[in-house]
Amino acid sequence: NAGVTQTPKFRVLKTGQSMTLLCAQDMNHEYMYWYRQDPGMGLRLIHYSVGEGTTAKGEVPDGYNVSRLKKQNFLLGLESAAPSQTSVYFCASSYSGLSSYNEQFFGPGTRLTVL
Amino acid sequence: AQSVSQHNHHVILSEAASLELGCNYSYGGTVNLFWYVQYPGQHLQLLLKYFSGDPLVKGIKGFEAEFIKSKFSFNLRKPSVQWSDTAEYFCAVNYNQGGKLIFGQGTELSVKP
Repeated sequence: NAGVTQTPKFRVLKTGQSMTLLCAQDMNHEYMYWYRQDPGMGLRLIHYSVGEGTTAKGEVPDGYNVSRLKKQNFLLGLESAAPSQTSVYFCASSYSGLSSYNEQFFGPGTRLTVL
Repeated sequence: AQSVSQHNHHVILSEAASLELGCNYSYGGTVNLFWYVQYPGQHLQLLLKYFSGDPLVKGIKGFEAEFIKSKFSFNLRKPSVQWSDTAEYFCAVNYNQGGKLIFGQGTELSVKP
């Protein structure tokens, strides 16, 4: 199993450009998450999904959109990138949100720089 | 508001020294607790987790953590660190809200050979 994969690994954008980050998991997990990691702030949840066709806002959703058209994929979109979105983005998935089954598995991350 | 606090931002130790990293969380009823590790340039990996039962949990690579409910704490310990333990460590709490995790700020551990 590949686990959780993310593409691309690195990207540089200019302010105002758009892009989509792709997350894929092959563990048949119901729940998927997008986080951003910034120095000294840990990981903060952007959006998450509790199943195919569903999405919900996390702690820092502004400036991002997501879609979960297929169970194995979770896309994160930036419609108009801003320098404040320079960060490392991690995708994660879990079998469910219930107690013993909510261990999250993380992807390798995408390092995004917005100039 | 639900929050997780890691008191140590950067810890520097020599090999064979003992380690304790603090983690406190705000009250929120029943919680599940996690410690993740991020080695340089890598993604987060689970070290250990607590769901219920024995409050002293053992994880991989000789790490353990103790859940003290009265203190809202879940401190990570290792009796003797190695150079390969150099990494960033994150405490995370699930407040039983659909699987969402609240992460602490992270503690960077540097182990000198």
